Amino acid sequence: NAGVMQNPRHLVRRRGQEARLRCSPMKGHSHVYWYRQLPEEGLKFMVYLQKENIIDESGMPKERFSAEFPKEGPSILRIQQVVRGDSAAYFCASSSSPAYEQYFGPGTRLTVT
Amino acid sequence: QKEVEQDPGPLSVPEGAIVSLNCTYSNSAFQYFMWYRQYSRKGPELLMYTYSSGNKEDGRFTAQVDKSSKYISLFIRDSQPSDSATYLCAMSSNTDKLIFGTGTRLQVFP
Repeated sequence: NAGVMQNPRHLVRRRGQEARLRCSPMKGHSHVYWYRQLPEEGLKFMVYLQKENIIDESGMPKERFSAEFPKEGPSILRIQQVVRGDSAAYFCASSSSPAYEQYFGPGTRLTVT
Repeated sequence: QKEVEQDPGPLSVPEGAIVSLNCTYSNSAFQYFMWYRQYSRKGPELLMYTYSSGNKEDGRFTAQVDKSSKYISLFIRDSQPSDSATYLCAMSSNTDKLIFGTGTRLQVFP
């Protein structure tokens, strides 16, 4: 009974490179949420997706960040031209319905050098 | 003012103590309330999920929601060293994005 899976667990990128973070929801879940956790801060909502649709991206920075959840395969959070301020832990959560509990993955820790 | 306020602690208690963790919030539209536990460098683990006001109990954990005061609590009975972690409250209004508190760090010493 696999939970939410995220990979890679750790990612190091130089400034200006692209980062791709992947999330596979729990079996039977079609709702995916991305959150970012900066050092010593709480989790901040970024984006909510269902299969092939972005439902709410109110927490996404307007530039360099994008997310998708294709019909087949994992959800992808993409950060272009990374900067040092993008260094954080990125968590994915999934739920079976918008009204139900969100279960989190182990996170991807992005370090920008 | 933040939408959700949570004392960062740290809170240090002896093994066996009753722990009380709290959050206050300002948005009266919040209806769904959650508590997560997060160990260092791990993902948040859902402990309790409640809708609207009232109490919910699960083993050693009890969650309380008082919407009239905009105040939620998590009680941990018979605390164990393994309970040492950061506890995050979270809430939502329309069931998509969760708004989190900054977390309370709990240390239970033997």
